[in-house]
Amino acid sequence: EVRLVESGGGLIQPGGSLRLSCAASGFTVSNHYMSWVRQAPGKGLEWVSILYSGGGTVYADSVKGRFTISRDNPANTLYLQMNNLRAEDTAVYYCARHPRYISSWFDFWGQGTLVAVSS
Amino acid sequence: DIQMTQSPSSVSASVGDRVTITCRASQDIRSWLAWYQQKPGKAPKLLISAASSLESGVPSRFSGSGSGTDFTLTISSLQPEDFATYYCQQANDFPRTFGQGTKVEMK
Repeated sequence: EVRLVESGGGLIQPGGSLRLSCAASGFTVSNHYMSWVRQAPGKGLEWVSILYSGGGTVYADSVKGRFTISRDNPANTLYLQMNNLRAEDTAVYYCARHPRYISSWFDFWGQGTLVAVSS
Repeated sequence: DIQMTQSPSSVSASVGDRVTITCRASQDIRSWLAWYQQKPGKAPKLLISAASSLESGVPSRFSGSGSGTDFTLTISSLQPEDFATYYCQQANDFPRTFGQGTKVEMK
């Protein structure tokens, strides 16, 4: 059974840093493209970043230069390092798997972890 | 960025009703479109990919159509478990972008 479990969210002051984790089971993270998608409270979905199986990355302009996506293959875990956080980064962050070999849609999602940026 | 516009933003319907949601892309995205269902407090669930391909396990009352810039999600006979918010998403280009959502509410 495919599972994605996010952790690492919490309340953080503006300018602070957090690292989100997404532990995968039932499949191998390095064999799939993986993304982070966020949802501000009461708002719609916003794609944040993708990590290709070959290691390449793409970021939304809103997070470029502040966020870094990565993975730990032995741990089968995806990460999102978030630096210089802003109030507008407040959201539930989901990790999401892409079907194998394509970076199109998201076929499995984690349950999400809430990041709240506030002083 | 490709803008995705859904209509309506909300729809009130009864069990058994036929519900249609439309999604318009700001440029040609061919068939690179997906539809998701999201219930409160839960993650989105992929319903339809490639504009019209029903995901495994999704009831056949859901269907998708369209190509280019105009797409439709249809629920042929609304069931109690279908009350939720629905999002379209384009996969033609980065950044991947979503519609603003359509909330299907009980009449």
